[in-house]
Amino acid sequence: DADVTQTPRNRITKTGKRIMLECSQTKGHDRMYWYRQDPGLGLRLIYYSFDVKDINKGEISDGYSVSRQAQAKFSLSLESAIPNQTALYFCASQAGGGDTQYFGPGTRLTVL
Amino acid sequence: RKEVEQDPGPFNVPEGATVAFNCTYSNSASQSFFWYRQDCRKEPKLLMSVYSSGNEDGRFTAQLNRASQYISLLIRDSKLSDSATYLCVVNMASGTYKYIFGTGTRLKVLA
Repeated sequence: DADVTQTPRNRITKTGKRIMLECSQTKGHDRMYWYRQDPGLGLRLIYYSFDVKDINKGEISDGYSVSRQAQAKFSLSLESAIPNQTALYFCASQAGGGDTQYFGPGTRLTVL
Repeated sequence: RKEVEQDPGPFNVPEGATVAFNCTYSNSASQSFFWYRQDCRKEPKLLMSVYSSGNEDGRFTAQLNRASQYISLLIRDSKLSDSATYLCVVNMASGTYKYIFGTGTRLKVLA
């Protein structure tokens, strides 16, 4: 079984809809991240969390919110989706003090 | 100037060839460096960390040049299975969230 899972894997939605992307990890890591990837751009950080009570904005947090429901779960919400949020979204986890990030399989989101 | 820059490629090489990629970074205070591999539409996976003294893992060798602010990845005896996009990742300060991803260099190994 994968250590970092994401649901859904693919989602098509319409402008203005609220969407939640979910991420779970079984690695016991404290740190979790949400990134988006667009063609021609590197992965960009949306939000990160170093533990359950710690939530921080990344470089492109506008239009997104997150919830760290438990150490293992970190959800990303788009309150009112817009077409330029069409992208591949990755969740990642990392051990505190470690450098390696472990990525989930990604969610391909299309906003029409 | 981008914080982390890579040649997007594609690099098209025959099987068995040796190929090298470079990645430059702008922040001289950067602490740690990595190469990740990403297959098409899949998640990035750590290929190797890059240490100051250089390091090797089988056919893969990574080097760091702090003076010139670049890291490199050398792949020897290329295999078809090496075809992927290679992402350069730089951590701006150890223990922080600040990982900057390059846009990746695409490698195609041809039979």
